[in-house]
Amino acid sequence: DVKVTQSSRYLVKRTGEKVFLECVQDMDHENMFWYRQDPGLGLRLIYFSYDVKMKEKGDIPEGYSVSREKKERFSLILESASTNQTSMYLCATQPSEAFFGQGTRLTVV
Amino acid sequence: QKEVEQDPGPLSVPEGAIVSLNCTYSNSAFQYFMWYRQYSRKGPELLMYTYSSGNKEDGRFTAQVDKSSKYISLFIRDSQPSDSATYLCAMSDSNSGYALNFGKGTSLLVTP
Repeated sequence: DVKVTQSSRYLVKRTGEKVFLECVQDMDHENMFWYRQDPGLGLRLIYFSYDVKMKEKGDIPEGYSVSREKKERFSLILESASTNQTSMYLCATQPSEAFFGQGTRLTVV
Repeated sequence: QKEVEQDPGPLSVPEGAIVSLNCTYSNSAFQYFMWYRQYSRKGPELLMYTYSSGNKEDGRFTAQVDKSSKYISLFIRDSQPSDSATYLCAMSDSNSGYALNFGKGTSLLVTP
């Protein structure tokens, strides 16, 4: 079975903090994705990566950056957290279908 | 027009009923179709994955794809209270690097 592990289930951060969300997959997949999920808005793509050190902007990249130094690890960075970034963050890896991590519920206060 | 449309529900059915969940889409290039189940406060879990048109069955679940109508369905037979969750459809095409396009999800409640 594919395993996608996100470093935290729940996080509470203060406005202005730099926040790191980590994601690790164990299946040697090239493609990795970060989404956020909000009620009424569904899943929205933030960033994705097809290879090490490669990144592409998704639909809502503003306020975020990513890092992919190793194939198995894809990190999402909130440069200066704001309250409108309170959300459920989901990492996924996919050959063609996506396999998701358990999600990180981030609250920015 | 959004690329993938899905009725958000909520849909409430009695235990044992047959459930039908649907999505429509506008992009005729979509080739890969998926259904995910998401329990509250958890990540989506892949239920069904189909390529192109046709039916696929797995236990109580059947996925149907009608590319001519741009319409996909998920049927759940003998529904159980444990099926209560949000169901998301997703689709992609190889030209876009497999980036998934999601519906917003349908909330299903199966009552005992």
